[in-house]
Amino acid sequence: GESVGLHLPTLSVQEGDNSIINCAYSNSASDYFIWYKQESGKGPQFIIDIRSNMDKRQGQRVTVLLNKTVKHLSLQIAATQPGDSAVYFCAETLSGTYKYIFGTGTRLKVLA
Amino acid sequence: DAGVTQSPTHLIKTRGQQVTLRCSPKSGHDTVSWYQQALGQGPQFIFQYYEEEERQRGNFPDRFSGHQFPNYSSELNVNALLLGDSALYLCASSLWTGGRGGQPQHFGDGTRLSIL
Repeated sequence: GESVGLHLPTLSVQEGDNSIINCAYSNSASDYFIWYKQESGKGPQFIIDIRSNMDKRQGQRVTVLLNKTVKHLSLQIAATQPGDSAVYFCAETLSGTYKYIFGTGTRLKVLA
Repeated sequence: DAGVTQSPTHLIKTRGQQVTLRCSPKSGHDTVSWYQQALGQGPQFIFQYYEEEERQRGNFPDRFSGHQFPNYSSELNVNALLLGDSALYLCASSLWTGGRGGQPQHFGDGTRLSIL
């Protein structure tokens, strides 16, 4: 299928290691954030979300950290697997604006 | 539980033509947003529809228009196509919150539009 993110920053990790993907968001007033995973030829798939009244949220094998002071979001993936290989996007929104702003994306490559 | 479905999956048009893309939201969702994703970039917000009205619009010319039907499905229309309109067009659905807080948007796999 079509390749997503031909010229995106790339993070290469060994299978079984932990991955950390970072994102700088643009609007200090944004109050809701989402991480998406996009595989080649597919649409973005929801991974995890966090609201601005939290600084950490955990899911299955994933953790999102929010630092509002420096407008920074990170996604941690534990025990990275080959199926985690994809492009990862963060998205932000401000309640009431109805529009989501996506970051530029990071390609994650899992090495066997 | 049906997810977001889009049609067609691929489309080839020439400059100056018009195109209509279609989207059916995830079951239970009432709000549809459209995005344009150029190769190597993140999705860019075009507009959002709820109750058959455009609620918010991104920075796109009015060659881009849309419609939402009573069954919540939606269409994206693009007139006077330009080479730069070549992209993946994504539809996302969610539940309307009336501005009371963000909600996850669930995406379809998109329509790949190529302009010759």
